[in-house]
Amino acid sequence: AQRVTQPEKLLSVFKGAPVELKCNYSYSGSPELFWYVQYSRQRLQLLLRHISRESIKGFTADLNKGETSFHLKKPFAQEEDSAMYYCALSDPGGTSYGKLTFGQGTILTVHP
Amino acid sequence: DGGITQSPKYLFRKEGQNVTLSCEQNLNHDAMYWYRQDPGQGLRLIYYSQIVNDFQKGDIAEGYSVSREKKESFPLTVTSAQKNPTAFYLCASSPGPWTEAFFGQGTRLTVV
Repeated sequence: AQRVTQPEKLLSVFKGAPVELKCNYSYSGSPELFWYVQYSRQRLQLLLRHISRESIKGFTADLNKGETSFHLKKPFAQEEDSAMYYCALSDPGGTSYGKLTFGQGTILTVHP
Repeated sequence: DGGITQSPKYLFRKEGQNVTLSCEQNLNHDAMYWYRQDPGQGLRLIYYSQIVNDFQKGDIAEGYSVSREKKESFPLTVTSAQKNPTAFYLCASSPGPWTEAFFGQGTRLTVV
């Protein structure tokens, strides 16, 4: 069964400091991985996805198949990065085709 | 105005009554999802559907039912068998499993 684990419920950093939000997954195959973000009083929205290999708002995420991880990183955190972040995994063609599973979420707080 | 709409925003029901939450999208997306969001537990998948007239159970389907008679609609019924129905419910849609999911604004259900 596919599973996504975000070990940190809360993460606090100061403005300008590096930030890393951890995500580990279990999946027998090649998953599609995503990071979603929910800012205060806004809808949950896509931040970035593995397949695009792009940097959004200074965030990047690298898929490490050996460690089954997809950690989200930003070298210099900004106050506007404060939000709830979710890691998600989609089954692109296995027995649970199309199933989109989310982790427990990490609340990031960036202090001035 | 395109998007995904959940209604109502707040819903109150007496214990023992079934209640149906609405989710409509005009994005022409094939896939639709229902999640339950509880503090500290992230988003848990209730049901998902990749195509009209077909849907699959997610990780916490017990006590819930869905239908997908039209591409744009994916209503969720919370039955009296659901032991702890008070929660925040999120609906989402996407073109397919490799792509971005778009979320509704959610429905907060309170059972008294």
